[in-house]
Amino acid sequence: SQKIEQNSEALNIQEGKTATLTCNYTNYSPAYLQWYRQDPGRGPVFLLLIRENEKEKRKERLKVTFDTTLKQSLFHITASQPADSATYLCARASGGSYIPTFGRGTSLIVHP
Amino acid sequence: EAQVTQNPRYLITVTGKKLTVTCSQNMNHEYMSWYRQDPGLGLRQIYYSMNVEVTDKGDVPEGYKVSRKEKRNFPLILESPSPNQTSLYFCASSFSGTSGANVLTFGAGSRLTVL
Repeated sequence: SQKIEQNSEALNIQEGKTATLTCNYTNYSPAYLQWYRQDPGRGPVFLLLIRENEKEKRKERLKVTFDTTLKQSLFHITASQPADSATYLCARASGGSYIPTFGRGTSLIVHP
Repeated sequence: EAQVTQNPRYLITVTGKKLTVTCSQNMNHEYMSWYRQDPGLGLRQIYYSMNVEVTDKGDVPEGYKVSRKEKRNFPLILESPSPNQTSLYFCASSFSGTSGANVLTFGAGSRLTVL
């Protein structure tokens, strides 16, 4: 089965630094990897997606990479702020009538 | 405003008392899905629907039922709730379109406690 693995340990960083979160997948490369943000007790909110044939995608302070050789996506938040503290979820998708598979998420804590 | 609406947001019930969690979306999305989220286990899919009258099991369907009689609504039914169904539930919808990216829009969540 296709799995998504994210680091279960919380990532603690200092305000202003770049946060880097990792998402690893198994088996074949998905057509898409999606990243969501989830605040406690709330529904996940879509942030970015990257296609299999894209190396990198950016949106404001966010950057996502897709490395099919390493079977990995990295999610970066530059100039991090305490308001960026949340759990970040990675999901794989294969287009069309797919069933999305989510990782367990990584908690990010940005200290002022 | 484009949104997925779930009700109730909070519910405490007792073992065996049937309940329904409603989900409605106003985006004309074809795909709808239910997830449960438990500490340390992440989001697990319960059931999904690709379109009206088309539903299928996800990873953890036991103890749940769904129906998709209209495109906008996808209720989750617990015929005989048990304490192990105490969880945070999310409904989500998406529009595949030509890109196939299927970005999900989630509801605000329904926290269910079964005593």
